[in-house]
Amino acid sequence: GAGVSQSPSNKVTEKGKDVELRCDPISGHTALYWYRQSLGQGLEFLIYFQGNSAPDKSGLPSDRFSAERTGGSVSTLTIQRTQQEDSAVYLCASSTGAGAGNEQFFGPGTRLTVL
Amino acid sequence: KQEVTQIPAALSVPEGENLVLNCSFTDSAIYNLQWFRQDPGKGLTSLLLIQSSQREQTSGRLNASLDKSSGRSTLYIAASQPGDSATYLCAVREINDYKLSFGAGTTVTVRA
Repeated sequence: GAGVSQSPSNKVTEKGKDVELRCDPISGHTALYWYRQSLGQGLEFLIYFQGNSAPDKSGLPSDRFSAERTGGSVSTLTIQRTQQEDSAVYLCASSTGAGAGNEQFFGPGTRLTVL
Repeated sequence: KQEVTQIPAALSVPEGENLVLNCSFTDSAIYNLQWFRQDPGKGLTSLLLIQSSQREQTSGRLNASLDKSSGRSTLYIAASQPGDSATYLCAVREINDYKLSFGAGTTVTVRA
């Protein structure tokens, strides 16, 4: 595709349910990143993938959050037992690599609302 | 921990005026700095990336400068238009790191 795509665009769930958010990076981009944007916290990093491995998971806020990437392409962010404080916009980005000249390109985001 | 600050938080100018947006960061050991635009309810659009070895980058009406030693970057938008109304975010990537650390953004309104 021409850009990073994410699905769903909006997700409303009840507290305690599990949710899966999907990211399709730009074709050929080996690096993939998840961030979240919330009113109180701004934009914060969650996890970084290089290929299928995640060398940096430092931003995941709790063990309820996990992510995987398969085939060096699609990534899924899973939030188990959702809480109201998980409500935010989850943004995915990709880049051709991790060098200094590599821009991160962002998708449109998934807006998660936990009731 | 890297702290990124953007001042002002909001800016309103008449059409045609030049815009000056400021970004400061606390740790000068950066790999690069990226400027983004975000429209309401949308994702981030990359505007410019400046590598740590560079002093400035230009794209059309946009020019971004970087003074790494003083921890500052400035985004200039010439001859502003109503379509430039958006939130502008700067983000830095530190050496030996992969993530971007973002400022809170400057929300720009260009009045017709």
